[in-house]
Amino acid sequence: AQKVTQAQTEISVVEKEDVTLDCVYETRDTTYYLFWYKQPPSGELVFLIRRNSFDEQNEISGRYSWNFQKSTSSFNFTITASQVVDSAVYFCALSAGGNNRLAFGKGNQVVVIP
Amino acid sequence: DGGITQSPKYLFRKEGQNVTLSCEQNLNHDAMYWYRQDPGQGLRLIYYSQIVNDFQKGDIAEGYSVSREKKESFPLTVTSAQKNPTAFYLCASSLQGAWNTGELFFGEGSRLTVL
Repeated sequence: AQKVTQAQTEISVVEKEDVTLDCVYETRDTTYYLFWYKQPPSGELVFLIRRNSFDEQNEISGRYSWNFQKSTSSFNFTITASQVVDSAVYFCALSAGGNNRLAFGKGNQVVVIP
Repeated sequence: DGGITQSPKYLFRKEGQNVTLSCEQNLNHDAMYWYRQDPGQGLRLIYYSQIVNDFQKGDIAEGYSVSREKKESFPLTVTSAQKNPTAFYLCASSLQGAWNTGELFFGEGSRLTVL
């Protein structure tokens, strides 16, 4: 079975501070995909990134960066110099075993205070 | 504009009534999904369909039913058998199965409240 754990439920930061969201996953499969999605107040989830299990390179995209470490089964997400528009719920997700479905974590509510 | 349209956005239902939530996509995607979101619970998969006239149960299918008669449409019926139907329902689609691309496109959701 696949499982995704996002421990922090709500995180509040002051604008321009950095915020890191932790994601720990469990799977017995050696081939899997990890994802991050953002859910703004409007409700729809927006895809941010996909990483496969064979690619442990960290990635930076603008103010976003991701740290994938297979040794600790973690796929953490950092927002640098946070802005009010970053206020949203962020979900980590996992797809493994060749099945066509994502297992989502419970999400992190990020609140950026101006 | 291409995307996923869910309706209605808000829905109130009396206990014992069935309700149907609409989901339409014009992205020409093969796969479609229904998720349920509860506070502090994340997203849980109800049903998914990879092709027209075929669908599979997700993790919490009891009390729900779906159909996939057209590629662009995947309606969800919340039946009276669903014990706790008050929730936020999200429909999604993907070009292929999520296994291949992982990029799901989501609608804005339907919030169902049982009175």
